[in-house]
Amino acid sequence: DGGITQSPKYLFRKEGQNVTLSCEQNLNHDAMYWYRQDPGQGLRLIYYSQIVNDFQKGDIAEGYSVSREKKESFPLTVTSAQKNPTAFYLCASSRTGGFNYEQYFGPGTRLTVT
Amino acid sequence: GENVEQHPSTLSVQEGDSAVIKCTYSDSASNYFPWYKQELGKRPQLIIDIRSNVGEKKDQRIAVTLNKTAKHFSLHITETQPEDSAVYFCAASRDSSYKLIFGSGTRLLVRP
Repeated sequence: DGGITQSPKYLFRKEGQNVTLSCEQNLNHDAMYWYRQDPGQGLRLIYYSQIVNDFQKGDIAEGYSVSREKKESFPLTVTSAQKNPTAFYLCASSRTGGFNYEQYFGPGTRLTVT
Repeated sequence: GENVEQHPSTLSVQEGDSAVIKCTYSDSASNYFPWYKQELGKRPQLIIDIRSNVGEKKDQRIAVTLNKTAKHFSLHITETQPEDSAVYFCAASRDSSYKLIFGSGTRLLVRP
């Protein structure tokens, strides 16, 4: 399961706390993505980054923040402003270059906030 | 906004039968259509994709068809096997946007 990793696999937090989810890839991909997956729903895009030091909001960015200081890393912070943070979070990466390429997913982090 | 609708949400077939999952997209500029398979507790993995310059693509028991005029595309699985049981997601995107819009998923159950 090399290539793209996420840690931890399970994460528990109290309401009101910020929490940062890790995502690392060694595929030399320029683009990285964060998705949220809820039961019975598809993957919804939170943030994505096509290049280091640049990122764009996805469809559900409110309450989340990201950084892209290194090509290999794209951490996601779930802030206390996110109303329903309990979910399964998936990170992905892909090549870039004018065409869409396969997105490779990490194993995911299941976040539970109580 | 951009939207991808996927049907059915659940599908149960007998082993050996065919399964068809359909998706409709709203953005007429979409030109890349991947399908991902997600087994229980695992990460989604690409099983097949198609670009708008072709109407059909096959890979062994899996095929995808695209109708650009109607803005819909379908996944066909023939000779289904129990290991095909999973959730399948369709998605659509424009080249160079890199932003995939996913359907809501289809849970496929193949009964032995």
